[in-house]
Amino acid sequence: GAVVSQHPSWVICKSGTSVKIECRSLDFQATTMFWYRQFPKQSLMLMATSNEGSKATYEQGVEKDKFLINHASLTLSTLTVTSAHPEDSSFYICSPYGTANYGYTFGSGTRLTVV
Amino acid sequence: AQTVTQSQPEMSVQEAETVTLSCTYDTSESDYYLFWYKQPPSRQMILVIRQEAYKQQNATENRFSVNFQKAAKSFSLKISDSQLGDAAMYFCAYRNRDDKIIFGKGTRLHILP
Repeated sequence: GAVVSQHPSWVICKSGTSVKIECRSLDFQATTMFWYRQFPKQSLMLMATSNEGSKATYEQGVEKDKFLINHASLTLSTLTVTSAHPEDSSFYICSPYGTANYGYTFGSGTRLTVV
Repeated sequence: AQTVTQSQPEMSVQEAETVTLSCTYDTSESDYYLFWYKQPPSRQMILVIRQEAYKQQNATENRFSVNFQKAAKSFSLKISDSQLGDAAMYFCAYRNRDDKIIFGKGTRLHILP
């Protein structure tokens, strides 16, 4: 149980464009979605938390207008990096949480490179 | 705010030997969860073991076990009979009452053949 699908696994985009990352919980309902960012050789840093049907809550220092999160259903959440810049290049990981799983499950991550 | 500290950036262990990774945390909460996650080169986060704070018994999962000392706020991971596939980054993590996970900075574990 607790199967998570995150796409794409890697993406290269030009500066100024937008990129959408999808995260799906395949066999459980995710009432909450956590989005993390991980820089090389560093730990995971929580960016935002979203509950299905509600606006996301962003951690301090995370620009909500740059990182748009949509959690319209219990099985799908998206993170859109708008007007991407090279400093947005990073590894993004989703973690859907439902009442059935105590130990959080993570998506396989998306490596974003902005050129 | 809660913090998680892993004081060993890197460790090495001979194959088939035992290694212990350290983790301490700081919290004022009485009920919480603690986790150890493994992140191999693929960067997929894999749950290794979890511990509920209200349980005194240390969690075990095959070759992996923890030493949970609640009063000392210590949560170390012991890997027995180390295997080459255990080489990875290991993160200690704390789940707070808001269900957010706070990660330590990680310990990179090398397995020497």
